[in-house]
Amino acid sequence: EDKVVQSPLSLVVHEGDTVTLNCSYEVTNFRSLLWYKQEKKAPTFLFMLTSSGIEKKSGRLSSILDKKELSSILNITATQTGDSAIYLCAVEWTSGTYKYIFGTGTRLKVLA
Amino acid sequence: EPEVTQTPSHQVTQMGQEVILRCVPISNHLYFYWYRQILGQKVEFLVSFYNNEISEKSEIFDDQFSVERPDGSNFTLKIRSTKLEDSAMYFCASSYGLAAIRFTYEQYFGPGTRLTVT
Repeated sequence: EDKVVQSPLSLVVHEGDTVTLNCSYEVTNFRSLLWYKQEKKAPTFLFMLTSSGIEKKSGRLSSILDKKELSSILNITATQTGDSAIYLCAVEWTSGTYKYIFGTGTRLKVLA
Repeated sequence: EPEVTQTPSHQVTQMGQEVILRCVPISNHLYFYWYRQILGQKVEFLVSFYNNEISEKSEIFDDQFSVERPDGSNFTLKIRSTKLEDSAMYFCASSYGLAAIRFTYEQYFGPGTRLTVT
């Protein structure tokens, strides 16, 4: 069965801490892995990863894919209260056309 | 900045009634999607739509569901006879390209419509 698993389920840290969120997947015909941030409502896109070992960075956020380990990590350095959100991992896979499976998300709370 | 819009933001309906959720994707986007998120659960893919037809759908998207692009701007999700378990947040998303056009892949999500079936 195709699945995407995220860990931890939730995390509470203090401002300034660094966090690492994990996403592992089991899908056939993997195409890409995407990270989203979900605050109050709609997910907002963070990264799309297709190649192993190439780090993508955006400010204090970075992410890398390991196709051998079928996983990805999302790092957030120097966390701020505005980073509090649910971080979603989704995997795109193909069986001719494209489908998407989301993980349950990691709920991050950053305390001032 | 262009954005995906959805209406209504919240709809309450009785079981068995038909509902139509509306979305206006970003104007030059070609691919459209519906997702749902039951409260406290993960986001689930429902359907993708391109060139006026469904390109992919999940197991959730059964005969009770349909999608349509009735004009050049709207993209709708219809649930024919709502059930209690259809209560969820429904997100519309759009993207310019699909996987073959990587640099324009990013999906933009709308703010969602909360559907409550009583």
